[in-house]
Amino acid sequence: DTEVTQTPKHLVMGMTNKKSLKCEQHMGHRAMYWYKQKAKKPPELMFVYSYEKLSINESVPSRFSPECPNSSLLNLHLHALQPEDSALYLCASSQEGGAAFFGQGTRLTVV
Amino acid sequence: DAKTTQPPSMDCAEGRAANLPCNHSTISGNEYVYWYRQIHSQGPQYIIHGLKNNETNEMASLIITEDRKSSTLILPHATLRDTAVYYCIVRVTGGSYIPTFGRGTSLIVHP
Repeated sequence: DTEVTQTPKHLVMGMTNKKSLKCEQHMGHRAMYWYKQKAKKPPELMFVYSYEKLSINESVPSRFSPECPNSSLLNLHLHALQPEDSALYLCASSQEGGAAFFGQGTRLTVV
Repeated sequence: DAKTTQPPSMDCAEGRAANLPCNHSTISGNEYVYWYRQIHSQGPQYIIHGLKNNETNEMASLIITEDRKSSTLILPHATLRDTAVYYCIVRVTGGSYIPTFGRGTSLIVHP
């Protein structure tokens, strides 16, 4: 099983809403990532978790809050987002030293 | 990490080989070359990686020059479904491997 599952596939939220994106993998990977991708741009790294601990935060605003409840799950909690935060949010996982596997992403629209 | 340079776009006829180049002239001895692709509105997909020997798998072949300053990804018989953005990434493997994407090459396969 080389699948990373992201839910929901699409999300529309207001600027005062609180929502969460979910990511799950069952490959035993100990590194998990969140990326943000705007239209016609490459994915940009947001957060890295290694062995369930946050190891990298690429200066992401605090309205994005990651959480890694266990080695298979990664969440991204969203609060008070702005319209410019609308993007494709991608989750990925990898074993140390290995290639990364990506989910299909959550298309987020902030209204 | 070494920087990579890829042509912004290429096209290829269906059934012909697609040869996608990547320059990485500042690559160091312990850096691998990874290739990913991203089909429109989907998550990036790992294709192949190598250090200095040529590599082949069911998706593609990777040819790395002897001085390791450039590489070519070969799709031997391109299909319409190979239309995607192809990313060449150079990264030290082992430890935390974090894919960092440049602009990539947009490959269009036409009938």
